[in-house]
Order: sequence, then C-alpha cells, then structure tokens
Amino acid sequence: EVQLVDSGGRVVRPGESLRLSCAASGFTFDDYAMSWVRQAPGAGPEWVSTISWNGGSTSYTDSVKGRFSTSRDNAKNSVFLQMNRLRVEDTAVYYCARVNYYSNFEYWGQGTLVAVSS
Amino acid sequence: EIVLTQSPGTLSLSPGETATLSCRASQTVYTTHLAWYQQKPGQAPRLLIYGTSNRATGVPDRFTGSGSGTDFTLTISRVEPGDFAVYFCQQYGGSPPYTFGQGTRVDIQ
Repeated sequence: EVQLVDSGGRVVRPGESLRLSCAASGFTFDDYAMSWVRQAPGAGPEWVSTISWNGGSTSYTDSVKGRFSTSRDNAKNSVFLQMNRLRVEDTAVYYCARVNYYSNFEYWGQGTLVAVSS
Repeated sequence: EIVLTQSPGTLSLSPGETATLSCRASQTVYTTHLAWYQQKPGQAPRLLIYGTSNRATGVPDRFTGSGSGTDFTLTISRVEPGDFAVYFCQQYGGSPPYTFGQGTRVDIQ
C-alpha cells in the first residue's frame, strides 16, 4: 500500500524558516517524481514544487522561487521542502504527492499545517 | 500559465441524479495531462480521473471524464451520498506550472 506521511508543519513568524518532510513507503521511491502541493484555508490546491526521480531537476511556482528548496533522499525514501523567509501568504496545509506518468498527483500525504503569523 | 475555470461553483443535487461538472482552460491542454480530484472536508484530494478519461484505481464507473482542447467534463452518474464533495480539475502543459481549477462543490439538495 502506498503511504506518504507529511510532517514538520507548525506556527512560525514571518521571515522564519521551516523544513517539511515526507516519508514514503509501499512503492519503489526512486521510480517517481515527487511534488509539494499546498492549500490555503478555503482555497483550491496550488502546486508548489516538483523534484525528479533522482533529484537532478527541480521546479517551483513563481511565488516561492528563491525562498523554497526541494530535495530528496532516495536511500531514506524521503522528500523535503526547505522553506525560508516565510510570508503570511505561505500559510496553508502542505501535501507531498507522488507524480504519475501523466503528470498528475496520484497519491497524497495527509498534509501538514504551516501557519505564518506575527 | 494555463488558467482553469470550473463551473458551476456549486451544484445541488439529490441522490440518484447526474452531476455534470465543467473545466474550461485558457488555452489548449494536453488530454494526457488533464485530471480530476475529489476532496472531502479534512482530507487530502483524491485522484479520480487521469489523462482526461482514465479512472484511477478503485474509482467506480459512475465517474466519467471526457473532453479535449479547452473543454473538459466530469460526469457523475447516479450520485451517491459519498459523492458529495469538492471536485478540482488539474493540468500540466509540458512545463511548469501545474495548475488547478478553483473547484466545484457538489451538495445535497
């Protein structure tokens, strides 16, 4: 059974940093690209970033470029989101998701809440 | 960036009726990269349809995806109580960003 477990979310002040983690199991982790998708309260999902199967390629939505960084450790079946210089508008539930061949988000973690507030 | 616009915003139905949800793109979308998700309160989105018309594992055949170009549809036949949720479409145009529609809520009438 595919499982993605997100962790690391908490309340932080604007300008602070946070690192989210996603632990994967139930599939061959390094066969898949992985993404982070966030959802602000009452809003639809918003794609944040994607990392290729080997970590050699990453992409980000414009609003987080230069502040967020995605990495993965295939030996530990984990993907990470380093978030720096956090803003109030980054407040959301953050989900990691496995990307399928069709570039859709096939499996999702349970989400972890990041709240940025002064 | 391709913008996806979903309509209606809310659809009120009785169990047993058919729901027709629309997703319109601001430019042509690859049919292989158009998906639909279902989200219930407090849960992560769940992939229902990928590649415009392929049902994900475990999705009943009451859910049908169709469309091409800029117009895509999710049809839910014989709506059941467990189908009342918010539905999102999503596309990937070959290069980032991946984009989502704003959602259609399917409510019990």
